[in-house]
Amino acid sequence: AQSVTQLDSQVPVFEEAPVELRCNYSSSVSVYLFWYVQYPNQGLQLLLKYLSGSTLVKGINGFEAEFNKSQTSFHLRKPSVHISDTAEYFCAVSKIQGAQKLVFGQGTRLTINP
Amino acid sequence: EPEVTQTPSHQVTQMGQEVILRCVPISNHLYFYWYRQILGQKVEFLVSFYNNEISEKSEIFDDQFSVERPDGSNFTLKIRSTKLEDSAMYFCASSLGGPPEKLFFGSGTQLSVL
Repeated sequence: AQSVTQLDSQVPVFEEAPVELRCNYSSSVSVYLFWYVQYPNQGLQLLLKYLSGSTLVKGINGFEAEFNKSQTSFHLRKPSVHISDTAEYFCAVSKIQGAQKLVFGQGTRLTINP
Repeated sequence: EPEVTQTPSHQVTQMGQEVILRCVPISNHLYFYWYRQILGQKVEFLVSFYNNEISEKSEIFDDQFSVERPDGSNFTLKIRSTKLEDSAMYFCASSLGGPPEKLFFGSGTQLSVL
């Protein structure tokens, strides 16, 4: 079975500061890795995904994530955040073979303060 | 960008009653999903649906749950006899292809069972 742990339930940062949202996963088989974002009163949207190849993945809105296989991590980063980045961020995995479901972490609420 | 639409946004029901949650996926998508999030917990997979049949379901998705795509545009989740523990935000999602295709999520239906 797969599991995902997001180490921080809430992260407050000031506008224009850098941010890192942490994600670790556990799986006995190879997985795809995803970050989804949920803005207030909206559905989840895909930020980025790692399938294979380069371990640094760039997504929408200036976000990027780095896959680290030895540490089973997939941390999300942005060098300079904006007020509009205030949202809930979800890390997720899915098995490469067979399964269709996403397994989510518990989410990290990112709050940007002016 | 096209959207997944869910109705209603909030539903209140009495324990033991049947509820139907409705979703209109993106029109050319082929894969359909239901997820739910109990307050304070992780987003959990319920079921995936492809080619007019369930392709995967979780342990949560017992005989009380069913899904249907009655008319080629709607995708519904029925709970036959609701329990207090069914109270959650229910998210519908669709994708053009199977994993690891991007999932498009609706904004959810908040179900409250009293």
